[in-house]
Amino acid sequence: EVQLVESGGGLVQPGGSLRLSCAASGFTFNTYSMNWVRQAPGKGLEWISYISGGSSNKYYADSVKGRFTISRDNAKNSLYLQMNSLRGEDTAVYYCAARFDAFHIWGRGTLVTVSS
Amino acid sequence: DIQMTQSPSSLSASVGDRVTITCRASQGISNYLAWYQQKPGKVPKLLIYAASTLQSGVPSRFSGSGSGTDFTLTISSLQPEDVATYYCQKYDSALATFGQGTKVEIK
Repeated sequence: EVQLVESGGGLVQPGGSLRLSCAASGFTFNTYSMNWVRQAPGKGLEWISYISGGSSNKYYADSVKGRFTISRDNAKNSLYLQMNSLRGEDTAVYYCAARFDAFHIWGRGTLVTVSS
Repeated sequence: DIQMTQSPSSLSASVGDRVTITCRASQGISNYLAWYQQKPGKVPKLLIYAASTLQSGVPSRFSGSGSGTDFTLTISSLQPEDVATYYCQKYDSALATFGQGTKVEIK
């Protein structure tokens, strides 16, 4: 079964850090570029980061540039998002998504809450 | 950066109605346009990619059209299970921006 499973979300204080993981199964992970998309409570979808299959290219939305770092380990079929200097406006459900052309495969998401 | 603008932001229609949602890109994106459906509390689901290609398993009442800067998602006969928010997304580059969403309700 094709599947993406996120983990690592939780409650963190402003200024804190969190590392999200996304475990892939059922498809050839290293042939897909991967993305993180977030959705704040009651809001729309926001693309935040991209990484190519071999990790040579990485891109970020302006809202997270300089604070978040995307990475992947193809040997472990895993995607990561290191989030530093977290702010209240980073509170959201974070989805990982596999991109063949559009985002064909989505995880179920993990909730990150930034609050004191 | 290219911006994606959807209209309307919400709509209410009767069962069986034809529903049209538009998406405009601030610059040309060829046909690198996808549509997603997100039902309340659920994960987004890919409906259409390459502007008009129906994803496998998606009902044929959904269709997409357009190229360049102007795109349309059409539901030919609205069903109760189509209540959702619909998002367009450009993917002509790694920066895969979404539109702000269109909430579809039943009248």
